[in-house]
Amino acid sequence: SQQGEEDPQALSIQEGENATMNCSYKTSINNLQWYRQNSGRGLVHLILIRSNEREKHSGRLRVTLDTSKKSSSLLITASRAADTASYFCATDAPSGKLIFGQGTELSVKP
Amino acid sequence: GAGVSQTPSNKVTEKGKYVELRCDPISGHTALYWYRQSLGQGPEFLIYFQGTGAADDSGLPNDRFFAVRPEGSVSTLKIQRTERGDSAVYLCASSLYGTDTQYFGPGTRLTVL
Repeated sequence: SQQGEEDPQALSIQEGENATMNCSYKTSINNLQWYRQNSGRGLVHLILIRSNEREKHSGRLRVTLDTSKKSSSLLITASRAADTASYFCATDAPSGKLIFGQGTELSVKP
Repeated sequence: GAGVSQTPSNKVTEKGKYVELRCDPISGHTALYWYRQSLGQGPEFLIYFQGTGAADDSGLPNDRFFAVRPEGSVSTLKIQRTERGDSAVYLCASSLYGTDTQYFGPGTRLTVL
């Protein structure tokens, strides 16, 4: 079963616009990670945010975490066509395994 | 340095056959994970190794699936009597300790005809 739910399932924007994706989860976590996937193959790690952190930045990426609402958001600023991909949030279970949502499919049109 | 590698990249087999999928983790990573991803879905956990032992195999769907990591490095996922429903991308990931960032390989796309 999958814990996380991403919203929206699909997002289409123009190059230069910002893209915001949301993730909700059900149980307590130690950390939450965001991954990117191109063409249904390997996942690329984007950012990890710990449960005691509220916001984290990495380049054009900004991640927020609200543990009281069990939700996180990923903001990509000044999007590029190369950002077109599927984006997944993943929460950790006590054993360390990751529980993924179904992903947001982002399309950035040039 | 080298990332996680998986072989083969694609595997086509017939229903009922046996397959082995291999994962080479990042050197020095003690934790190794297998996930399975069906089309349009997020990856689903199968099994987690810490060193040579399976620390959590709760995601293996049934006893046709088995995985080993005999020397604490390379891992092999074994599927017996394959079924068409086993068709998916099988992803392997490794992490340094098991509670930190997981780095994924490119996956093996398994197609059962």
